[in-house]
Amino acid sequence: DTGVSQDPRHKITKRGQNVTFRCDPISEHNRLYWYRQTLGQGPEFLTYFQNEAQLEKSRLLSDRFSAERPKGSFSTLEIQRTEQGDSAMYLCASSLAQFSGRSYEQYFGPGTRLTVT
Amino acid sequence: AQKITQTQPGMFVQEKEAVTLDCTYDTSDPSYGLFWYKQPSSGEMIFLIYQGSYDQQNATEGRYSLNFQKARKSANLVISASQLGDSAMYFCAMRDSGTSYGKLTFGQGTILTVHP
Repeated sequence: DTGVSQDPRHKITKRGQNVTFRCDPISEHNRLYWYRQTLGQGPEFLTYFQNEAQLEKSRLLSDRFSAERPKGSFSTLEIQRTEQGDSAMYLCASSLAQFSGRSYEQYFGPGTRLTVT
Repeated sequence: AQKITQTQPGMFVQEKEAVTLDCTYDTSDPSYGLFWYKQPSSGEMIFLIYQGSYDQQNATEGRYSLNFQKARKSANLVISASQLGDSAMYFCAMRDSGTSYGKLTFGQGTILTVHP
């Protein structure tokens, strides 16, 4: 399977605990994005990496959230001191960086569904 | 700020018939890209079709076509010959041309149900 993979697929945690999600992008893709999707809504942008550099963070990404992409390969998204409002699907996407229409096509992973109890 | 509006929360279609899912957008940028994604109950976002703002022709990908009306700022998805497997949530999205990397802004989605 050469698509974007995410682990775990489901995570149930208690309020106040820390959680970490992993995303493995398509190998040749240098751009990586994290989105959050709450029930019945479209995904909302969280953050973006170009290789290992985190170039933008949404205001949705509070200081309890941190993301890394060491060596420009896989990425992790950590949420500290989880709150019930963090319950959502966390989607990772990757794309190439070229200047043509289809280059901006983002390929999404299956997502990690987080439930905070 | 860019905005995507999908006004149809749910749509129903008979198998083998065509269906149109509406999408309107708002942007002040002359260069932008519009995407449609399908999200089955499994959760994965599946890319369907792309339309660039400077593309002269409407995009087509198999049974999917995009009815792009630039002056009206609409980018409706047309699915021909609906199949039971088309039942899913469909999202319209716009590439943010204000950045060099193209983060996507999504609409609220439309749930499509295909009846046998």
